[in-house]
Amino acid sequence: GAVVSQHPSWVICKSGTSVKIECRSLDFQATTMFWYRQFPKQSLMLMATSNEGSKATYEQGVEKDKFLINHASLTLSTLTVTSAHPEDSSFYICSAISGLYNSPLHFGNGTRLTVT
Amino acid sequence: AQTVTQSQPEMSVQEAETVTLSCTYDTSENNYYLFWYKQPPSRQMILVIRQEAYKQQNATENRFSVNFQKAAKSFSLKISDSQLGDTAMYFCALPYSGTSYGKLTFGQGTILTVHP
Repeated sequence: GAVVSQHPSWVICKSGTSVKIECRSLDFQATTMFWYRQFPKQSLMLMATSNEGSKATYEQGVEKDKFLINHASLTLSTLTVTSAHPEDSSFYICSAISGLYNSPLHFGNGTRLTVT
Repeated sequence: AQTVTQSQPEMSVQEAETVTLSCTYDTSENNYYLFWYKQPPSRQMILVIRQEAYKQQNATENRFSVNFQKAAKSFSLKISDSQLGDTAMYFCALPYSGTSYGKLTFGQGTILTVHP
């Protein structure tokens, strides 16, 4: 079946530094990818939608200058958390869709970010 | 704005028994999808079942079935013959208005524990 891979699975970084999370579709071309954020034992909240070759669309309240999203190819989207702070610590999950009619949504395995 | 509400933060069930998880939602759309996702301790999001609103017949997938009441905007999940591997957090999800199913609004989640 279709697989979406996220890397890294977990990362610890110091406050003030930036960290990049990759989301790859391994066996299909993902025209659209979505980034979600999840706090412990809470729901997933959509952060942004990225379409290949165009600027990401951010949800209300999400700082686009802090959460940089790039979708440079049909198989890769990246989320960069810039100048990370402890409150950015969370679980980040990407998902991808191929754009074909009735194609399912595939989720990555998630990235746990801890900012110290 | 659309909403998804899961009013049961935690549920528990004995192995082999049946349990029902509740979900209510609000949307202005007439045709839409509804989903139940499972998130086990691994944090991987797994699609459990999908319902299309224009279909009156309730969706079933092996031990999982839904009770979809469109007028009442209710979408409950029934798990029959519960297994230890069903222990997970379960989310009800509704696509954003005007979209298919990439951009999702998730409910708060229900933590289900299956006891041996």
